Amino acid sequence: QSVLTQPPSVSGAPGQRVTISCTGSSSNFGAGYDVHWYQQLPGTAPKLLIYGNTNRPSGVPDRFSGSKSGTSASLAITGLQAEDEADYYCQSYDSSLSGVVFGGGTKLTVL
Amino acid sequence: QVQLVESGGGVVQPGTSLRLSCAASGFTFSNYGMHWVRQAPGKGLEWVAVISYDGSHKYYADSVKGRFTISRDNSKDTLSLQMNSLRAEDTAVYYCAKVAPHYSDSSGYFDHWGQGTLVTVSS
Repeated sequence: QSVLTQPPSVSGAPGQRVTISCTGSSSNFGAGYDVHWYQQLPGTAPKLLIYGNTNRPSGVPDRFSGSKSGTSASLAITGLQAEDEADYYCQSYDSSLSGVVFGGGTKLTVL
Repeated sequence: QVQLVESGGGVVQPGTSLRLSCAASGFTFSNYGMHWVRQAPGKGLEWVAVISYDGSHKYYADSVKGRFTISRDNSKDTLSLQMNSLRAEDTAVYYCAKVAPHYSDSSGYFDHWGQGTLVTVSS
């Protein structure tokens, strides 16, 4: 059971918009800790997608965007492309656990 | 460019030990906190341990506390993870990850990851 809760899977057709939720608690998001998102393509290491709730590293398309409000966060992907098919993880810090925490991951399928 | 290269993985029996290494290059290693994150086969990411930039602070996940030890050698730009009393549930790909600038060593995010090294604990 992950500290951050994500849906196991989401799907969408090419060109559509999907969102992936990440629900935390008062000891992580609610305590003011940021959410960060990673994309993991099959057989590869995770790659930073969004940091500090809403920021994209250079090279990440603006089709990807992040938000956070209260104890919840979400990742939105617009204009879905086949290459977006991957696992997505949210990450934060939990003050009760004194450690980094990840969501369980969400598998995005592009139909 | 930043490179993190893990090594030391392999197949070991339960109860034995293994030492992982992560060779860093392309950045000033001694300025950044470093983490180990693992991923069991077909499962999600699990944080393992963090060490501060100077090695003075170390924190562990409850699942490995007392069995694993994180360390670093800033003179050799190397991060290590000593894993003792290994269990079947420690089977995973182990990644080293660099903390991004301007964030706390413990609570930051990871701007670079290694390619991972597979540890299999099996009799």
